[in-house]
Amino acid sequence: LAKTTQPISMDSYEGQEVNITCSHNNIATNDYITWYQQFPSQGPRFIIQGYKTKVTNEVASLFIPADRKSSTLSLPRVSLSDTAVYYCLVATLSSNTGKLIFGQGTTLQVKP
Amino acid sequence: DTGVSQDPRHKITKRGQNVTFRCDPISEHNRLYWYRQTLGQGPEFLTYFQNEAQLEKSRLLSDRFSAERPKGSFSTLEIQRTEQGDSAMYLCASSLGVRGELEPQHFGDGTRLSIL
Repeated sequence: LAKTTQPISMDSYEGQEVNITCSHNNIATNDYITWYQQFPSQGPRFIIQGYKTKVTNEVASLFIPADRKSSTLSLPRVSLSDTAVYYCLVATLSSNTGKLIFGQGTTLQVKP
Repeated sequence: DTGVSQDPRHKITKRGQNVTFRCDPISEHNRLYWYRQTLGQGPEFLTYFQNEAQLEKSRLLSDRFSAERPKGSFSTLEIQRTEQGDSAMYLCASSLGVRGELEPQHFGDGTRLSIL
């Protein structure tokens, strides 16, 4: 599976837009980009998934350039409750198992 | 609550004891996963079930670990002769296994194991 690289930590303030960029230089044709969020003492929670261009749902947007070697998770107008660890993963559609390979993630701290 | 349920939430035991954790996935999900997470790290894949069949096991899963999913419903993860290094959060996840689709995994809130 393609390895991902993302910042270890980020700080932001309430009401700001936060963009977390992830690099996945050796992404394969069958790979999708998936983001999960994790709060302390809870399991990860799926946020958004995409293949190319832009995907938007009720909580986030995912921007993927044409070469797909990176992606950016955008969180609009963050609040204190968005303080969490955010994981960028590359998952293979053709995988027999669908197992996820997590990195260390990005710890986002939202300040008042 | 129709999410993934794990029991117990916390387990404290002495080194050398056996422990068993239970996971109840979302009812219509045929895929079930176990992961292990230590402090400051992302979850690590342990094993995967498609219905009742255990189809993949990580090298992290030593012979002291065994997982089952009888009848393709709930799953159990047993650790025999626990060691200090087994202290971690054990996470269970489930998903639909739809051919040609990459379905999100739904995680439980884990069982935190502490070895004294």
